[in-house]
Amino acid sequence: AQRVTQPEKLLSVFKGAPVELKCNYSYSGSPELFWYVQYSRQRLQLLLRHISRESIKGFTADLNKGETSFHLKKPFAQEEDSAMYYCALNNAGNMLTFGGGTRLMVKP
Amino acid sequence: EPEVTQTPSHQVTQMGQEVILRCVPISNHLYFYWYRQILGQKVEFLVSFYNNEISEKSEIFDDQFSVERPDGSNFTLKIRSTKLEDSAMYFCASKGTAYYGYTFGSGTRLTVV
Repeated sequence: AQRVTQPEKLLSVFKGAPVELKCNYSYSGSPELFWYVQYSRQRLQLLLRHISRESIKGFTADLNKGETSFHLKKPFAQEEDSAMYYCALNNAGNMLTFGGGTRLMVKP
Repeated sequence: EPEVTQTPSHQVTQMGQEVILRCVPISNHLYFYWYRQILGQKVEFLVSFYNNEISEKSEIFDDQFSVERPDGSNFTLKIRSTKLEDSAMYFCASKGTAYYGYTFGSGTRLTVV
């Protein structure tokens, strides 16, 4: 069975500090991984897909198949980055499995 | 940018009543989904819908749940006889092809009293 684990429920950093939100997965096939962000009282928004290898709002994420990880990173956090972040895995059957989410708080 | 629209944003219903949650996916999308998030818990998959039929469903999606695409635009989730534990945020999502990311609606908060 597939599983996504985000070990930190809350991550608090100061503005300008580096951020790493951890995500580990277990899946027997070839994974398709996403990061979604949910700002206060708003919808889930797609932040990154691993296959596009892009940087959005300064965030990047690299799929590490050896460590089964897809950690989200940003070198300098901004206050507007404060939100709930969800890592998700898409299986071959077209279904997303979400991690439990990490609340990022960026303090001024 | 196109959006997935969900109505109502908040619904309160009595236990045992039927509720219908409505979604308007992005117009040229082909795959449709319902997810739910119980307060304080993770987002959980309920059901996926493609080509006018259910393609996958979770064990949460029991006989009390049904989905329908009654016309070319709406995608509905019906809960036949609500239970207290059905209280959650319900998210609709759609995507255009198998290779695109999912676009989520803003959710309907269902409160069963």
